[in-house]
Amino acid sequence: QSALTQPASVSGSPGQSITISCTGTSSDVGSYNLVSWYQQHPGKAPKLMIYEVSKRPSGVSNRFSGSKSGNTASLTISGLQAEDEADYYCCSYAGSSTYVVFGGGTKLTVL
Amino acid sequence: EVQLVESGGGLVQPGGSLRLSCAASGFTFSSYEMNWVRQAPGKGLEWVSYISSSGSTIYYADSVKGRFTISRDNAKNSLYLQMNSLRAEDTAVYYCARVSDAAEAFDIWGQGTMVTVSS
Repeated sequence: QSALTQPASVSGSPGQSITISCTGTSSDVGSYNLVSWYQQHPGKAPKLMIYEVSKRPSGVSNRFSGSKSGNTASLTISGLQAEDEADYYCCSYAGSSTYVVFGGGTKLTVL
Repeated sequence: EVQLVESGGGLVQPGGSLRLSCAASGFTFSSYEMNWVRQAPGKGLEWVSYISSSGSTIYYADSVKGRFTISRDNAKNSLYLQMNSLRAEDTAVYYCARVSDAAEAFDIWGQGTMVTVSS
């Protein structure tokens, strides 16, 4: 199972909005509304930010939103803040036995 | 507090074995599906293995199939990963992660344990 495709890096200024794309196939992203997004700061464990494409866990800022169209999912962060600078990973369910596949990760830099 | 704590990592020679443990607390461990996810130095996340709440259903990534064995002891609130025939490419931080009540998202992660395979 190949990894989902994410841009290696994105950047934005404080207050701006950015979008990170996550492209899969009809066997994963395109078949299931089971895409999740994780934020990881250096040396820390990943943190769940979005699940089931667009739902936010309790405690996650509403500046984070998710969507999906066809085989591509997206994470949008609005009102960028310095603490948003981190690596972001998408993940999709890919059926039983394959289970899940992660994206390669995107480094967000807040300028 | 809901918590996962991994242990058992270390330095091992190629071809060697290691057993990782993950101790769960603050939630009803036996009700949750669990996973191992790893991250090689400077690389992205890679899913390794899944086990259902009862232990009756297990999945592995192709990269570890036949070498790694996931298991759990619900009486001890613990998850395990037995790793055999280790290779240099298995060098990574290994995280245990809980599957959320919502489908197929990892809502709780441990701090990770480092496994280094080198001679």
